[in-house]
Amino acid sequence: DAMVIQNPRYQVTQFGKPVTLSCSQTLNHNVMYWYQQKSSQAPKLLFHYYDKDFNNEADTPDNFQSRRPNTSFCFLDIRSPGLGDTAMYLCATYLLGGPDEKLFFGSGTQLSVL
Amino acid sequence: GEDVEQSLFLSVREGDSSVINCTYTDSSSTYLYWYKQEPGAGLQLLTYIFSNMDMKQDQRLTVLLNKKDKHLSLRIADTQTGDSAIYFCAETLSSNTGKLIFGQGTTLQVKP
Repeated sequence: DAMVIQNPRYQVTQFGKPVTLSCSQTLNHNVMYWYQQKSSQAPKLLFHYYDKDFNNEADTPDNFQSRRPNTSFCFLDIRSPGLGDTAMYLCATYLLGGPDEKLFFGSGTQLSVL
Repeated sequence: GEDVEQSLFLSVREGDSSVINCTYTDSSSTYLYWYKQEPGAGLQLLTYIFSNMDMKQDQRLTVLLNKKDKHLSLRIADTQTGDSAIYFCAETLSSNTGKLIFGQGTTLQVKP
């Protein structure tokens, strides 16, 4: 059974039209991440939540926001998507302080901005 | 600073061994990982190694770590066409909450 679930699998939006991507987890992990992966590039961390504490990466554009209403869910909001935001968005979870030093990734949401 | 580098492309014949190499710069890395990504899919964790180990074997996969040279390699024995994918090396640092720093990925092409 999938433990980190991302919806939708594919998302198409128009330039400037807000879009929300979602991630849920059944692992009860305290850390959740959002990575952006553009074509033929390495995944790049946008931000992460450690419990309710939000941690933004220094070079993440202001256009990208996140919400974590509870342990299980985390959302990525792109307020005004540009063509350059077309990418795969990967959610991952991690249990800080746990015995297992592994991140668990979802299958990703492929976002296309037209 | 933190940096992870990989060669971009490797082509092998089915049945041969593949060796994918990675170098990293941060000596405080605690764990090093290999992920596999098939087209249009998420990241699948293949294996990982703690920084105080120098080798780990898991079925067809062998990871070698040379901490002195900050060099990590992944050997795939008896490579199959289903192994064709992009392979990412990644490190995590003790100072971070599990944050991964990824290399740019090595595309492995397996020819029949």
